[in-house]
Amino acid sequence: DIQMTQSPSSLSASVGDRVTITCRANQSISTYLNWFQQKPGKAPKVLIYGATNLASGFPSTFSGSGSGTEFTLTISNLQPEDFATYHCQQNHRTPLTFGQGTRLEI
Amino acid sequence: EVQLEESGGGLVQPGGSLRLSCVASGFTFSSYWMHWVRQVPGKGLVWVSRIEMYGSMTAYADSVKGRFTISRDNAKNTLYLQMSSLRVEDTAVYYCARGDSSTPGLWGQGTLVTVSS
Repeated sequence: DIQMTQSPSSLSASVGDRVTITCRANQSISTYLNWFQQKPGKAPKVLIYGATNLASGFPSTFSGSGSGTEFTLTISNLQPEDFATYHCQQNHRTPLTFGQGTRLEI
Repeated sequence: EVQLEESGGGLVQPGGSLRLSCVASGFTFSSYWMHWVRQVPGKGLVWVSRIEMYGSMTAYADSVKGRFTISRDNAKNTLYLQMSSLRVEDTAVYYCARGDSSTPGLWGQGTLVTVSS
């Protein structure tokens, strides 16, 4: 199975900050990498697909980069509604696997 | 409006069985792969299973293989997860999601399964 490791597991930031979350795979997954945003008590939503493509409904303050085994999610100019948990997921092969999540909090 | 509504969760004893359902509305159900993903509250997401549009191809996480069965009824716009030989570690919120073969793109709100004596 492909193991996904996110860092950090939690992150404190302030409105207006720029933050970066890292996701590493234990083998190459090309750009088969998704990011999800999950708010408390809600279902996850696709945020980034194909490592770099922003899903509809999300502002351009979110961006994704990377390929192979290392990926980053960057959020610039943090807004109050961005405080949530972020999960990466490899969609290179089954079993599909997720990182453990990064909780972004004020 | 596109919606997925899960049901069937509840409290079950270890070794017991439960069937989850997910009713889809607002889109052509038979055009999408469907997934089940679970999450222990406060923990990460774990993919459980997927099924292709007509039900002929399925895949499972190793942790549930042989115990869980995914199926769908396109005439009823409904996805199922039959769970048997349940273990305490199967306790989680179970989400259904529509998508393609490798991305659960749109999720329901989940149903809680608690396995406990």
